[in-house]
Amino acid sequence: VQLLESGGGLVQPGGSLRLSCAASGFTFSNYAMSWVRQAPGKGLEWVSVISGNDGSTNYADSVKGRFTISRDNSKNTLYLQMNSLRAEDTAVYYCAKHLGGSKRTGDDYWGQGALVTVSS
Amino acid sequence: DIQMTQSPSSLSASVGDRVTITCRASQGISNYLAWFQQKPGKAPKSLIYAASTLQSGVPSKFSGSGSGTDFTLTISSLQPEDFATYYCQQYSDYPFTFGPGTKVDIK
Repeated sequence: VQLLESGGGLVQPGGSLRLSCAASGFTFSNYAMSWVRQAPGKGLEWVSVISGNDGSTNYADSVKGRFTISRDNSKNTLYLQMNSLRAEDTAVYYCAKHLGGSKRTGDDYWGQGALVTVSS
Repeated sequence: DIQMTQSPSSLSASVGDRVTITCRASQGISNYLAWFQQKPGKAPKSLIYAASTLQSGVPSKFSGSGSGTDFTLTISSLQPEDFATYYCQQYSDYPFTFGPGTKVDIK
């Protein structure tokens, strides 16, 4: 199993960025996937999850209405579209594979992370 | 939202020690509880899911227990590679939430 995040970088407050997570080594479409972030020097914060069964999604209150999780099963890729970015969104963003198609399963593999910096 | 707390927030231990970390949920989460290990500058690593099931490849010195609101992670004999920060996470109810972490360092 490999998860490779990309798309991070420096963006101004109010701007947008799209993260990608390229998956390999498993049947991507069969598994739920999550995004988790970690602000510099801080703990882990769950961001969003998408089901592998029906494509349903859930979000943390801190990103609801601004971030959109999606997946392209034909490309084995998970996305996180981030709009209206704020300084407090600065973090390393990790994608994580779940143990099954249901969202209410634990994670088993994580990517190496992508740094997003929101600053003017 | 379900709040997760961990105790202690940090601990100092010696190689060979038995270490126990506690995680408490603000409401019942059955066994929808995972434990992660994170070393500085690295991605988190999954250790345990469903409160007590070891992830594939995780050594048996790690064990988890609990159900409902109270959970524990135990390391039976601490080794140098186990010095890290440990997080619990509930995935019973949205939004999923993590505990604040427990840093285990060398005494």
